[in-house]
Amino acid sequence: DARVTQTPRHKVTEMGQEVTMRCQPILGHNTVFWYRQTMMQGLELLAYFRNRAPLDDSGMPKDRFSAEMPDATLATLKIQPSEPRDSAVYFCASGLVRDGVPSTDTQYFGPGTRLTVL
Amino acid sequence: KQEVTQIPAALSVPEGENLVLNCSFTDSAIYNLQWFRQDPGKGLTSLLLIQSSQREQTSGRLNASLDKSSGRSTLYIAASQPGDSATYLCAVTDTDKLIFGTGTRLQVFP
Repeated sequence: DARVTQTPRHKVTEMGQEVTMRCQPILGHNTVFWYRQTMMQGLELLAYFRNRAPLDDSGMPKDRFSAEMPDATLATLKIQPSEPRDSAVYFCASGLVRDGVPSTDTQYFGPGTRLTVL
Repeated sequence: KQEVTQIPAALSVPEGENLVLNCSFTDSAIYNLQWFRQDPGKGLTSLLLIQSSQREQTSGRLNASLDKSSGRSTLYIAASQPGDSATYLCAVTDTDKLIFGTGTRLQVFP
């Protein structure tokens, strides 16, 4: 049963520390998304990649957030330095897009990383 | 800019009732619309996906309709059960990005 995996599942850190979240997309999927969920803002798209290349990171605070795909099986989201307002659940999702058109298949979401910055 | 709104924000009903959850979007140029379920502390599970050329999709006790021209979708849950308690999110696909609604928190009590 293919699924998206995320690590860690929970992270508590102090303000100013670096945080790295990891995601393993479903094998064969060519698009990876990072979302952030908070009570106030709901689910927001931070960034996404197609074939490992960043397509859109306009939802991400550029001064402290960075997202990469070192290879097709790993996506990372890094926050440096972290701040209390970054506390949220961060979701990774993967999907398949062909010729610029979303597949009839849906995006699959990972279980999320719950981040708490003290 | 696409905006997705869900009404009501919360709903509490006795077991057995038929429910309608509403979703509206401002830009009708969408590829598809999805309904997701999210349980507390968990990720999202896709329930139904409606392509822009379709008008409805059904899965078990769930039926989702789509009216692109009016920018509306409804999720119908028949004979609700306590196990249906969760947050339901609709999302439209804008090119290849999902834009989520605000969610409806549903509680079904025995």
